[in-house]
Amino acid sequence: EPEVTQTPSHQVTQMGQEVILRCVPISNHLYFYWYRQILGQKVEFLVSFYNNEISEKSEIFDDQFSVERPDGSNFTLKIRSTKLEDSAMYFCAWIKDAFTGELFFGEGSRLTVL
Amino acid sequence: GQQVMQIPQYQHVQEGEDFTTYCNSSTTLSNIQWYKQRPGGHPVFLIQLVKSGEVKKQKRLTFQFGEAKKNSSLHITATQTTDVGTYFCAGGRQAGTALIFGKGTTLSVSS
Repeated sequence: EPEVTQTPSHQVTQMGQEVILRCVPISNHLYFYWYRQILGQKVEFLVSFYNNEISEKSEIFDDQFSVERPDGSNFTLKIRSTKLEDSAMYFCAWIKDAFTGELFFGEGSRLTVL
Repeated sequence: GQQVMQIPQYQHVQEGEDFTTYCNSSTTLSNIQWYKQRPGGHPVFLIQLVKSGEVKKQKRLTFQFGEAKKNSSLHITATQTTDVGTYFCAGGRQAGTALIFGKGTTLSVSS
């Protein structure tokens, strides 16, 4: 059983639509991250979330993006008005052990914006 | 901002040959991690290096962290077809801060 479930696995949306990607962890990890990977390119950091607050965000994470952990379980990434260039694989990631710093990635959600 | 460069972008080898990918950061790193991503998969953690000049081995894989903590390398001895995938280095400026990934080196191996 995977430690984290990401949903949806694939979403196709029209440009300008809102999208919510979800990450449901089994255990109560403290550090969560969202990364994205445009097809065939590098893994790009979006935002980190610690103790239910944003702790760090990249230049990519502009006002169109938001993250929440509304019920202490689901960890969501919302894109308010999608653009074509938002098409990518979105990975949630987490750290189990702050000492090792090993980053675990979910299976990813593929977003296609038409 | 911090940048992590990785070369080569692609490498094709015959099975049994060695392979090396190099990673350079524009700033001094607190730590560097290496990940492997199979086609269609997600990045999987391989190792973390923290100390200046550190060398770690995992079977046929050897990882090095430079003395200045700005560069790193991954060397695979006698590649196998199971080694195919994209290898990413990822650097952290400080412990606990987000990792910045390099563009990755995609390795293909022919038997």
